[in-house]
Amino acid sequence: DAGITQSPRHKVTETGTPVTLRCHQTENHRYMYWYRQDPGHGLRLIHYSYGVKDTDKGEVSDGYSVSRSKTEDFLLTLESATSSQTSVYFCAISEVNGARGYTFGSGTRLTVV
Amino acid sequence: AQTVTQSQPEMSVQEAETVTLSCTYDTSESDYYLFWYKQPPSRQMILVIRQEAYKQQNATENRFSVNFQKAAKSFSLKISDSQLGDAAMYFCAYRSARRGGSEKLVFGKGTKLTVNP
Repeated sequence: DAGITQSPRHKVTETGTPVTLRCHQTENHRYMYWYRQDPGHGLRLIHYSYGVKDTDKGEVSDGYSVSRSKTEDFLLTLESATSSQTSVYFCAISEVNGARGYTFGSGTRLTVV
Repeated sequence: AQTVTQSQPEMSVQEAETVTLSCTYDTSESDYYLFWYKQPPSRQMILVIRQEAYKQQNATENRFSVNFQKAAKSFSLKISDSQLGDAAMYFCAYRSARRGGSEKLVFGKGTKLTVNP
């Protein structure tokens, strides 16, 4: 597919533990995003990045942090996982030209027990 | 802030028939992009069709077409000759064309389409 990979694909973790999800792209796109998908809510933006070390919050950023030290990698960290963070997490990339929309990773299903 | 509304949480259609999924959006901008994404059970997000707001002509991709009504802020998706493989969640999304912004996509909550044989 389009040069974006997420890892891991599935993860089960315990409440209170830190978790890091990784997004890697080979497209050299400027913009990268983390969304979460929950039934009845669609996709909601957690954090996004518009360049190396340039990040900003989305609408559901509480309890999450991100880092982007290289163009190709965008990490999402749950500082102390809670059951409400059980969700499917998607990474997406985008060119500056907004007309082409996003390219999505395959998603990570995270379960917090 | 922009919002996207999909008023039909679920829809069903008979194989080979036509179905229309609704989407409305709210924005004060005049230049933007609209998208329909498909999410089959595999979970992969697949771009189905896109529309640029400055283009009056409705976009078409094979069996998929849109009815874009800019004044009404409506962007419906029509699927003709429905196939079993069309069964999926469909998401409508909005993106501002303003440069210098975050290029964020704003999604509706989705419509689950079932195709009956």
